[in-house]
Amino acid sequence: AQSVTQPDIHITVSEGASLELRCNYSYGATPYLFWYVQSPGQGLQLLLKYFSGDTLVQGIKGFEAEFKRSQSSFNLRKPSVHWSDAAEYFCAVGAGGGGFKTIFGAGTRLFVKA
Amino acid sequence: DTAVSQTPKYLVTQMGNDKSIKCEQNLGHDTMYWYKQDSKKFLKIMFSYNNKELIINETVPNRFSPKSPDKAHLNLHINSLELGDSAVYFCASSSQGISGANVLTFGAGSRLTVL
Repeated sequence: AQSVTQPDIHITVSEGASLELRCNYSYGATPYLFWYVQSPGQGLQLLLKYFSGDTLVQGIKGFEAEFKRSQSSFNLRKPSVHWSDAAEYFCAVGAGGGGFKTIFGAGTRLFVKA
Repeated sequence: DTAVSQTPKYLVTQMGNDKSIKCEQNLGHDTMYWYKQDSKKFLKIMFSYNNKELIINETVPNRFSPKSPDKAHLNLHINSLELGDSAVYFCASSSQGISGANVLTFGAGSRLTVL
């Protein structure tokens, strides 16, 4: 069965500092992997996705993520965080082969301090 | 023009009442979903319809009944509301690309509070 683990419930970084949010997944085949961001009171917005090919994927707002099959990880990174990046971040794994179920991690809340 | 729109955005009601949440998407997607987000922000899939056919029905009380009159609409009706139903309910839609993956587009959510 699919599952996603985000080990950090919340993270605080200083504005301008680098960021890495951790995500580990469990899936029997090659997974479809996603990062979504949720600002307070808003719906979820897709940051980036990985289906195949280059294991380093670029997304919106300067985010990137790296797929590491050997570690079953898909960590999200940003070189320099802005105050507007404060939000809840969700890693998700989608079923392949025409499956429709996307499973989300518990989320990591990012706080940005000035 | 909003891609996935849900109404109402806020809903406050008493225990035992029946309420509905409506969702519409204008993206031309084939598949629509309801997710429930609890107070700890955990997102859990409830239902999914593909071309008006129910394809995912998670372990949800039968007080919850989804209805999809057409591909662009998915409604959620909840009978005999309980305190534990208080949550934010998100509608989403997707279309499988060549890769076979479903990329979800979410609505803004409907916050249900049961008193």
